[in-house]
Amino acid sequence: DVKVTQSSRYLVKRTGEKVFLECVQDMDHENMFWYRQDPGLGLRLIYFSYDVKMKEKGDIPEGYSVSREKKERFSLILESASTNQTSMYLCASRDPQGAGDIQYFGAGTRLSVL
Amino acid sequence: SQQGEEDPQALSIQEGENATMNCSYKTSINNLQWYRQNSGRGLVHLILIRSNEREKHSGRLRVTLDTSKKSSSLLITASRAADTASYFCATGGGSNYKLTFGKGTLLTVNP
Repeated sequence: DVKVTQSSRYLVKRTGEKVFLECVQDMDHENMFWYRQDPGLGLRLIYFSYDVKMKEKGDIPEGYSVSREKKERFSLILESASTNQTSMYLCASRDPQGAGDIQYFGAGTRLSVL
Repeated sequence: SQQGEEDPQALSIQEGENATMNCSYKTSINNLQWYRQNSGRGLVHLILIRSNEREKHSGRLRVTLDTSKKSSSLLITASRAADTASYFCATGGGSNYKLTFGKGTLLTVNP
């Protein structure tokens, strides 16, 4: 089974802090994604990476950056956290040659910025 | 903008009943997927139906796709309390990588 692991289930940070959200997948998938999920807005794509060191902006990249130095790990960085970044963050991976469009999700990180 | 829109937003039924959720989308698709999300957790893939398929089954799940109406439905038969979750449809993928999710239907199955 594909396993996508997010480093924290719950995180509380202060405004202005630099925040790292880590995601690791164990299936050698090329593609990885970061979403945020907010009530009434559904899932919105922040960034995705189609391969190591390759990234592309999603629908709402402002205030975020990402890093993919190794195939299995995709990090989401909040350079200076703000209260409007309080949200549920979901990481996903995908094997474009295997199951195609199916994405495999981690359990999520609920981030609160105070 | 959201491609898929689920209907209804919320559905409450008794255990043993069937649950039907609908999804409408706006542009042409290669396939459509359904995912489930238990409260406070990540999404789990349920089923994928390709644009040239009209119906697909997986256990107690039945998905239909009507490309002329740009709509899909997910039927869960003989529902259980454990089916309580939010259900999302998703379109996109392929060379574009990205999936676009609807806002989901919250299904509550009462014991």
